[in-house]
Formats: sequence, C-alpha cells, structure tokens
Amino acid sequence: QVQMVQSGAEVKKPGASVKVSCKASGHTFTSYDFAWVRQAPGQGLEYMGWISVYNGNTNYAQKFQGRVTMTTDKSTNTVYMELRSLISDDTAIYYCAKKFGSGAFDIWGRGTLVTVSS
Amino acid sequence: EIVLTQSPGTLSLSPGERATLSCRASQIVSSSFLAWYQHKPGQAPRLLIYGASSRATGIPDRFSGSGSGTDFTLTISRLEPEDFAVYYCQQYGSSQFTFGPGTKVDIK
Repeated sequence: QVQMVQSGAEVKKPGASVKVSCKASGHTFTSYDFAWVRQAPGQGLEYMGWISVYNGNTNYAQKFQGRVTMTTDKSTNTVYMELRSLISDDTAIYYCAKKFGSGAFDIWGRGTLVTVSS
Repeated sequence: EIVLTQSPGTLSLSPGERATLSCRASQIVSSSFLAWYQHKPGQAPRLLIYGASSRATGIPDRFSGSGSGTDFTLTISRLEPEDFAVYYCQQYGSSQFTFGPGTKVDIK
C-alpha cells in the first residue's frame, strides 16, 4: 500500500512562491500518476493538476496554467508542486493524491497548510 | 469545463436513516468517470466510489453509487455515526477534472 508523506506547513508573503513535496513509499513509484488538490478555508476541494512519474507528462487545471509546476524526483520517490505569484486566496491545505485508473484519487497525503499573508 | 452541482447542500439525518446525495453534471460525463469522496475535518479525503458505481477497496457495502450521463447518486443505506461528513463528487471524464461543491451530512 502506497503512503504519502507531505512537507510541513508554510507561511509565505504575497508574490512569493511555495514548493510543497510529497514523498511516496513503495516500489512502483514510477508506475503512478500523482495529483494535487487544495482546500481553502471553508471551501470545497479544488483540482489543480496531475503528473505522470513515468514520463513527466502533466495536466494542469486551466485556472492554474502558467502559475503551477509539478515535478517528480524518481531517485527519492518525491512529487513536488510549486505555485508562484501567491495571493491571499491561495491560503489553503494542499493535498497530494495518487491517481487511480483513469482519474479517481485513491490514496491521499495528510495535507500541507500554506498560508499567504503579509 | 464540466461543472458539477451537488444537492442538497446539507442533509440532516439520524443514525440508521438512508442518505441520498445527488450530483449533476453540466455535460455528459464520459464513460461514467465519476467518483465520490468522504471528507472529515482534519483528515484526508477518502475515495468511496469510482466509475460511478464501483466501491473502492475497504468501503462498506452500505455505500453505493449509481447513475450515468449527467445524473449520479450516492446512497448510504443506513447511516452509521462515522458517516457524518462532507461528500464530494468528482468527474474525470474530461481532461479538466472537477469537483462538486459538496454535500454536508450532519446529525439531526
């Protein structure tokens, strides 16, 4: 069973960037795709995009195109999500999740709180 | 982008009762690529149903999903105390995945 451990909470100023990591256990890391989903305070879940570990292909939600970059490091079984030009509305819990089949997310990290405040 | 609408926004029920949650899509969800998640405060979301009607590993059979096209339903046959949570639908039939706004199931 894959488990994902996410990096710790971050506090950033408006205009800055944040890079959140998600380290996956298991032998078949390169077989998987991983997604990022966020939840702002009092709001619902919001899909940000996914990345294929196998070939690095990405699929970003249109809302985040140009502002988000997802990458992987096969040597450490880690997936990264970098979000740039942060604004206060980017304050949220950011979850990584393993993509299952065509696009459901079956295993989730515990989330990383990113706070954007001046 | 496919917009998902969930109803009702809040469902107030007692343990043992049946819960019926609706998810409606603005366009046909191809191949019934629709999932349901349970989300509790302070926890990661939990996949319940994928492919509109297939239960994920370890999910009790009181949870069932149905529907196709643009209309989907999650049914909890008899609510247990641990089932009070927020439920989200998600479509992955288009390249732009989207979530619904959620239905909160709370204790009456």
